[in-house]
Amino acid sequence: EVQLLASGGALVQAGGSLRLSCAASGFTFTRTAMTWVRQAPGKGLEWVSLVSGSGDNTYYTDSVKGRFTISRDNSKNTLYLQMNSLRAEDTAIYYCAKDGNLGIFDFWGQGTLVSVS
Amino acid sequence: EIVLTQSPATLSLSPGERATLSCRASQSVSIYLAWYQQKPGQAPRLLIYDASYRATGIPARFSGSGSGTDFTLTISSLEPEDFAVYYCQQRSNWPPLTFGGGTKVEIK
Repeated sequence: EVQLLASGGALVQAGGSLRLSCAASGFTFTRTAMTWVRQAPGKGLEWVSLVSGSGDNTYYTDSVKGRFTISRDNSKNTLYLQMNSLRAEDTAIYYCAKDGNLGIFDFWGQGTLVSVS
Repeated sequence: EIVLTQSPATLSLSPGERATLSCRASQSVSIYLAWYQQKPGQAPRLLIYDASYRATGIPARFSGSGSGTDFTLTISSLEPEDFAVYYCQQRSNWPPLTFGGGTKVEIK
């Protein structure tokens, strides 16, 4: 059974930093690209970042480039999102999701809430 | 960036009725469009990928069609558990991967 457990969300002041984690199980993590998608309160879905299975290739939406870093530890089956210079507009639930085939998100974790004051 | 426009924003229907949701892309995405369902307080769930392929475990009452810039998600007969928000998403030209603004299917 695929499981994705996101954690690390918190209330943080503008300009601060936070690291999100997503523990994965139930599939071959090392062969699977992973992504972060966020959802501001009462709003729609916004793709944030994607990392290849090896971790060698990373992609970001423009609004987080230079501030957020996606990474993974394949020995721990864990995905990360390091978020620096946080802004009020980064307030959202952050979901980690498994990539089924280059941009198809076939399984989602439960999300973790980031609030920036 | 490819912009996806979903219509209508809200669809008010009764159980048993047919739901037709639209997603229009600002430029061709070929068949590389997916649909997700999100219920309140839950993570999204993949329904349809590459325009018309149902994801694992998705009931046959959900179907997708279209190519290029115009896509449709059809729910043939609404069940009580189908009342939710539906999002389309393209993977044709990225980054960024983009989502539509969503269509809420509510009980009439």
